[in-house]
Amino acid sequence: KQEVTQIPAALSVPEGENLVLNCSFTDSAIYNLQWFRQDPGKGLTSLLLIQSSQREQTSGRLNASLDKSSGRSTLYIAASQPGDSATYLCAPHTNAGKSTFGDGTTLTVKP
Amino acid sequence: GAVVSQHPSRVICKSGTSVKIECRSLDFQATTMFWYRQFPKQSLMLMATSNEGSKATYEQGVEKDKFLINHASLTLSTLTVTSAHPEDSSFYICSATGQIATNEKLFFGSGTQLSVL
Repeated sequence: KQEVTQIPAALSVPEGENLVLNCSFTDSAIYNLQWFRQDPGKGLTSLLLIQSSQREQTSGRLNASLDKSSGRSTLYIAASQPGDSATYLCAPHTNAGKSTFGDGTTLTVKP
Repeated sequence: GAVVSQHPSRVICKSGTSVKIECRSLDFQATTMFWYRQFPKQSLMLMATSNEGSKATYEQGVEKDKFLINHASLTLSTLTVTSAHPEDSSFYICSATGQIATNEKLFFGSGTQLSVL
């Protein structure tokens, strides 16, 4: 059974800092991995999807890496802004589309 | 890109009533849909997997008679919370995939916040 751990559980940083969110998973037989953002009381916003054959994916200030063999992924956020404050979820997917979510990292970026 | 529409986004109901949540794939055929539940301050947990035209597969601990899932067409799956109680209050979200072993066709709905009074 896939287990996903996200570290840290919470993070508070001043505006402008670069930061790294960590995700580890126990079953490396994944098809791809997705990072999401969730705002309080809201749904999921997909940030980045990394295929199992890829090492990293970039979108704007976000960069996600994947080391499938070691069961790790990181989400790098550059030049953080208060609007980045949210909970970030990591979810590896099986080839059948089933997702396992981590508990998330709650990020607070202070102005 | 492909879109999954989930409706309603928010529902408040009285205890004992049933609530239906719809998940639609708007521009692709969703052969498989997944339903997740998220309690406050907890992560999303898979409830069930539904395949078009067949019975849903429920995860351990999820009551199939309580959470009725119907996937009658390739674009629509519904989750009905029957005789809802306050402990069913949660955030429910669906995802849909168009085919097995695909890199691209996995999309999430926007979620439904259910509050049972």
